[in-house]
Amino acid sequence: ETGVTQTPRHLVMGMTNKKSLKCEQHLGHNAMYWYKQSAKKPLELMFVYNFKEQTENNSVPSRFSPECPNSSHLFLHLHTLQPEDSALYLCASSQEGTSALLVNTQYFGPGTRLTVL
Amino acid sequence: SQQGEEDPQALSIQEGENATMNCSYKTSINNLQWYRQNSGRGLVHLILIRSNEREKHSGRLRVTLDTSKKSSSLLITASRAADTASYFCATTTGTASKLTFGTGTRLQVTL
Repeated sequence: ETGVTQTPRHLVMGMTNKKSLKCEQHLGHNAMYWYKQSAKKPLELMFVYNFKEQTENNSVPSRFSPECPNSSHLFLHLHTLQPEDSALYLCASSQEGTSALLVNTQYFGPGTRLTVL
Repeated sequence: SQQGEEDPQALSIQEGENATMNCSYKTSINNLQWYRQNSGRGLVHLILIRSNEREKHSGRLRVTLDTSKKSSSLLITASRAADTASYFCATTTGTASKLTFGTGTRLQVTL
């Protein structure tokens, strides 16, 4: 579990607040991901970064803003969130390559439990 | 619609029994993985099976894949209370490297 760390582990914020979630991976991977996990719903992929470049944005509202300053760090900046954004936010990393046969095993952090009041 | 759907949604067994969970998917895949999640924590990779494989073992875990039926099963033998968790299947398709997760099976192992 220490391969990917996330802070904070719990966050309570009002709808007008601005906060940031942080993720750090110590595995030397070149890809990082943000997922949202809500009750009774499949894990939703939000953003993907390969080699620090954003390669996927799954129609995520602009109140979520990702930042990847280097291949080891990933942030999710939050502003003017809604109560329905309350969820567990998971960060993951993997080692990507050019071969379609390359296995994409992802390593997850413990998550940040976000509550929006 | 989601790629993977697990069945059953919830499973309760006694310690020592075997637990079987199933996953169905809709499109052709490169590989299928199973992950485990303890309550409110991150996911942990358990086992991967490639599209050209039919069965794989890892310790007390046995995974099967039937590409003709687009389904996979995860068997946990001789279950323990510590196996209590949610189990998810995840697939990769085409040249995309992203994983698509199912809704998960919640396993409860009681003493």
